[in-house]
Amino acid sequence: DADVTQTPRNRITKTGKRIMLECSQTKGHDRMYWYRQDPGLGLRLIYYSFDVKDINKGEISDGYSVSRQAQAKFSLSLESAIPNQTALYFCATSLTGIVGDTQYFGPGTRLTVL
Amino acid sequence: EDQVTQSPEALRLQEGESSSLNCSYTVSGLRGLFWYRQDPGKGPEFLFTLYSAGEEKEKERLKATLTKKESFLHITAPKPEDSATYLCAVQAASNTGKLIFGQGTTLQVKP
Repeated sequence: DADVTQTPRNRITKTGKRIMLECSQTKGHDRMYWYRQDPGLGLRLIYYSFDVKDINKGEISDGYSVSRQAQAKFSLSLESAIPNQTALYFCATSLTGIVGDTQYFGPGTRLTVL
Repeated sequence: EDQVTQSPEALRLQEGESSSLNCSYTVSGLRGLFWYRQDPGKGPEFLFTLYSAGEEKEKERLKATLTKKESFLHITAPKPEDSATYLCAVQAASNTGKLIFGQGTTLQVKP
């Protein structure tokens, strides 16, 4: 079984709809992240959470919100989807360490906003 | 500003033809440099973490090295299955936990 799972894997929605992307992990990691990937722009951080009570904005958080329901679950919501939010979305997890903590990525969700 | 630049953007090799990918970085205190492999439509797969200049790590045909300004991913005698996009990322001491990614190098290995 995969350590980091994302649901759904593919989603097509319409402009203005609210949608939620979910991430679950069985790695026992305390830190979780949401990224989006666009051709030519690379991976960009949307939100990150160092524990259940800690939520932080990344570089492109406008139009998104998150919820850390438990240590193992981190959800990303688009309150009112717009076409330029069409992208690949990845969840990642890491374990707090003394030196750099390696992030492990999920399989991704391909989101299309029409 | 913390920044990562990868070169070349794309690289085509014949099977068995060794080469290197470059990752240049500027960061306010390096906490770690990471290499990932990404296949089309899939999530990045972790390869290596390097923490300090002079450090080297190997895995099968891949070897990653680190200096104070750049990292190289050396690919020895590549095979077609090594074809993928290779991503480099850094973690700055001032932004603990957050990764700054380069644009990636897309490698194609022809049989």
